[in-house]
This record gives sequence, structure tokens and C-alpha cells, in this order.
Amino acid sequence: TQLLEQSPQFLSIQEGENLTVYCNSSSVFSSLQWYRQEPGEGPVLLVTVVTGGEVKKLKRLTFQFGDARKDSSLHITAAQPGDTGLYLCAGAPWGSGTYKYIFGTGTRLKVLA
Amino acid sequence: AAGVIQSPRHLIKEKRETATLKCYPIPRHDTVYWYQQGPGQDPQFLISFYEKMQSDKGSIPDRFSAQQFSDYHSELNMSSLELGDSALYFCASSLGWAGGSPLHFGNGTRLTVT
Repeated sequence: TQLLEQSPQFLSIQEGENLTVYCNSSSVFSSLQWYRQEPGEGPVLLVTVVTGGEVKKLKRLTFQFGDARKDSSLHITAAQPGDTGLYLCAGAPWGSGTYKYIFGTGTRLKVLA
Repeated sequence: AAGVIQSPRHLIKEKRETATLKCYPIPRHDTVYWYQQGPGQDPQFLISFYEKMQSDKGSIPDRFSAQQFSDYHSELNMSSLELGDSALYFCASSLGWAGGSPLHFGNGTRLTVT
């Protein structure tokens, strides 16, 4: 059972457009991380959101953690070709009692020049 | 800043051979995770170690084993390799358990089994 569902799965947009990626779960997470991965490379941590309702900004990227800590979103403003990559949300379910850390299903973004 | 180091970067093996992948976590990180990522797939958790003890086990085949050493580096041993084992293998490290600490990933080892 995949606990973290991301949407959309694939996204191809023109340079300058805005986009939002969603990460949803029925479980509560103590925190959620967003990573970006390029082909053949390891996932690179973008941000950690911890508090319900929290909003974090990283240049043109805005991350939000849902009030109930079950979902998160990533909004990119004025996308650029350099934003192309696989975006993964990830985290450990609250109270899982183990060192479980799971990844979302991923969103493959392609920004066309 | 020091990052997670994995070696080798690329590895080519034949079916039924054995492979050993190494991971050196970020200094002072006490938790190591191993993931397998097939083409077009998200990383699948294999196994993790906290303070040199196995802390969790995912979809790791019985043919694979791993351990974390006293210097916190970890090795993933893979025996009787199969074609389906071809994938990117990532190691990640964190400080403390994953509930509150993000994972930092290495650049992976690309294993090709022929």
C-alpha cells in the first residue's frame, strides 16, 4: 500500500508557467520532506516541513504542509528548464514505531524552453 | 559540507556473481538507509541501521545482507545476482531516527547485471 500519493505523475509545461504538485496521505506524518532527483543522481533534499499549516519558500518554490499533517504541496512559480526533474515527497508516518521512511509516487516534471 | 559517499559509482557483474556496495554517511550521522531504484520508479526501501544495529527491513531479498560498522559506514552485500537486480542503489544517512530527521542521499551505485 502506497501511503504517499503524488499528483500529477507527469507534467510537461512551458518555461514561465506556474505549477503545483500535490502529496497526499491518509496517515499523519511527523514531518515531510521534498526532494528533487535528476537522472542517475541521488535525491537532493529541498525542504522539510514540520508544523501543520507551515509554508516555506525557497526562491521560486513554495512548500506547504497541510493543517492535519497528512498532505503537502509544492508550487513552482515561473518554471525554468533547470527545474526539470523528479520531485519526491517523503516522510515517516507519525507513531510508526519503526524507522520507516517512505517516498511518494513521484512527479516527473519537464520544463520546455 | 561533507555528503554521503558511495562506492563504487558503477558496477557491472554477471548473473550469480556477488557484489558489495559501500556507503560512508555524513559525519556524526548515526542512521543509514539503503534504497533500490529501478528505471522510472521511486526509491524502494531495503534496510536501515541505527547505531550499528538493524532498525528496519523493507523489501530486501534474502540474497542480500547489510551491516553497519563501528565507524558507521555500511556495506550492502548482494549474492547470486539476478538480471532483475540491475538498478540504482542509494544510501542515505540521517541524524537520529527518520521521524524528525531528513535523509541525505549519496549519488548511488549503478549496478548492471549481465
